Amino acid sequence: DQQVKQNSPSLSVQEGRISILNCDYTNSMFDYFLWYKKYPAEGPTFLISISSIKDKNEDGRFTVFLNKSAKHLSLHIVPSQPGDSAVYFCAASVTNAGKSTFGDGTTLTVKP
Amino acid sequence: KAGVTQTPRYLIKTRGQQVTLSCSPISGHRSVSWYQQTPGQGLQFLFEYFSETQRNKGNFPGRFSGRQFSNSRSEMNVSTLELGDSALYLCASSLGGTTSQETQYFGPGTRLLVL
Repeated sequence: DQQVKQNSPSLSVQEGRISILNCDYTNSMFDYFLWYKKYPAEGPTFLISISSIKDKNEDGRFTVFLNKSAKHLSLHIVPSQPGDSAVYFCAASVTNAGKSTFGDGTTLTVKP
Repeated sequence: KAGVTQTPRYLIKTRGQQVTLSCSPISGHRSVSWYQQTPGQGLQFLFEYFSETQRNKGNFPGRFSGRQFSNSRSEMNVSTLELGDSALYLCASSLGGTTSQETQYFGPGTRLLVL
């Protein structure tokens, strides 16, 4: 039973446009959500997070939205840049539980 | 502040052998987690150590084991290697507090190839 799902394995967008990456979860105990970006041959790097007490968190070009009733979160990147091309992982955790559950990732390609 | 380091970066082994991977967390971080990433798969959680004790465990066979030392450095061991163990093994560290919402910071990974 996969508790965190990223249903789109890949996404391609034009430079300057918006990229929207989606993530669904099933465990209602999750209360902290994160997005990581991963380049080939490197470990994932933390991008942005959101606590379940919020429905939006913004950091520069990156905004994460959380819809608790739908158990859905999304990452918006505006404007998209070629350097954003990477694999994006969604992760969810329970406070104090000490581990995160990851989705399978979405490969974003931003075309110049 | 130095990031998470993992050694070795690349490793080639044959079936039946065993392997030990090492991870040094960010200074001050007490929690170390290990993940396996295979092609086309997400990050599969192996286990987490906090204060030298295994605090969480994923659904991997007993061939996969780990430990953590008093300086928070961690090692992961895989015995009787199988071809399917070929993967990128990632280590992540976090503060590990009991009241925090943890952000994990990853190392570059060890790429293991089993022939």
